[in-house]
Amino acid sequence: QVQLVQSGADVRKPGASVKVSCRASGYTFTDYAIHWMRQAPGQRLEWMAWINTGNGRTKYSYKFQDRVTITRDTSAKTVHMELRSLTSEDTAVYYCAKDRLREPSITPWGASATYSPSIDPWGQGTLVTVSS
Amino acid sequence: DIQMTQSPSSLSASVGDGVTITCRASQGVSSYLSWYQQKSGQAPKLLIYAASTLQSGVPSRFSGSGSGTYFTLTISSLQPEDFATYHCQQTYSTPFTFGGGTKVESK
Repeated sequence: QVQLVQSGADVRKPGASVKVSCRASGYTFTDYAIHWMRQAPGQRLEWMAWINTGNGRTKYSYKFQDRVTITRDTSAKTVHMELRSLTSEDTAVYYCAKDRLREPSITPWGASATYSPSIDPWGQGTLVTVSS
Repeated sequence: DIQMTQSPSSLSASVGDGVTITCRASQGVSSYLSWYQQKSGQAPKLLIYAASTLQSGVPSRFSGSGSGTYFTLTISSLQPEDFATYHCQQTYSTPFTFGGGTKVESK
């Protein structure tokens, strides 16, 4: 079955970086995009980025663009998310999730049946705590 | 960013009740709208995408409708396992923003 398994919880100091990994199994890794989201305590879910696991092309939320890098290792069927210059506001559970699309980059009006992302399943989540 | 507003933020219902949750987008998103269910301590699970397409394996008591800026998620007959928080998400333009969530609690 399709499964995404994330790396374990991490504690970092302000100003540091964190790298979270997401290992995929049960499907052809390079055929589907992977998204990253996070959920801070008491806050709504927040989308961060996607990666085309076939060619490595990425799309980042402008909010994180200067601080985040998403990479993939096709031989290990793993996607990595690195977030830099951490502050306490980055304390959150970070999730990866698989899309049904290779690259969710075009959304023609009225064509959602073909072009709509379908983001599922999600990994189990990785708690990143930023504290001095 | 496209702002997503869910209502209500919480509701109380009994097993067997019909439940409707609404999600409004600050600008049109066609039908690029997904719904998720999240139980405490778990990752979200996709229920519906493209506004009305039921994800494989999701019970038929869940349904979605809407287009443009107004969307609804309906649970036709609430089951014990449906008590959870529900989130909408627009996937029309990045960043793919989420609503604030609706917590469905037992009355």
